[in-house]
Amino acid sequence: DQQVKQNSPSLSVQEGRISILNCDYTNSMFDYFLWYKKYPAEGPTFLISISSIKDKNEDGRFTVFLNKSAKHLSLHIVPSQPGDSAVYFCAASEYPGNTGKLIFGQGTTLQVKP
Amino acid sequence: GAVVSQHPSWVICKSGTSVKIECRSLDFQATTMFWYRQFPKQSLMLMATSNEGSKATYEQGVEKDKFLINHASLTLSTLTVTSAHPEDSSFYICSARPPQGAGYGYTFGSGTRLTVV
Repeated sequence: DQQVKQNSPSLSVQEGRISILNCDYTNSMFDYFLWYKKYPAEGPTFLISISSIKDKNEDGRFTVFLNKSAKHLSLHIVPSQPGDSAVYFCAASEYPGNTGKLIFGQGTTLQVKP
Repeated sequence: GAVVSQHPSWVICKSGTSVKIECRSLDFQATTMFWYRQFPKQSLMLMATSNEGSKATYEQGVEKDKFLINHASLTLSTLTVTSAHPEDSSFYICSARPPQGAGYGYTFGSGTRLTVV
């Protein structure tokens, strides 16, 4: 039972263009969502998060959008840079009040071409 | 910023032996830490929640007698893979949650690559 799904295993974009990574979830009890960037053999690095009471959060080149009715969130990276090439995971916090338990999607490998 | 240190970064061991992995929160106290496992090209799967001063909470399907977790202090949790077998070879990652106000993003260690031969 995959509660958090990233249906695109990979994405390739040109440098300077927008990267859009998508994530769907099934558990309506999720109240906090996070995006992480990960390189092979390293731990994930936190990028940005959003609470279920918001529909948008922005931090520099990264913007996360949340559509609760559709149980869908997306990460926009503008402009994309070659250094953004990595695996991106979305994650959801399972309980209100947040016990800290995260459920991860399968990941999307982003390649930004110079 | 909040830092979680994980050690060792990689380890090779023989079948049947035990391996201990340490996870430390360097600049904050963590009453709760989390242990994840990642197989190649797959997602991170939560194995267990480590609770300071009490027993760990294991996810369904994770053998508690095989993956021993100890959280003896507010800054250290250890995962011991007992009687390791080749199928235990994986990438193990710990995380901890800094106090709110520190970005509210869970901080992860750098991971440990375990290879059992």
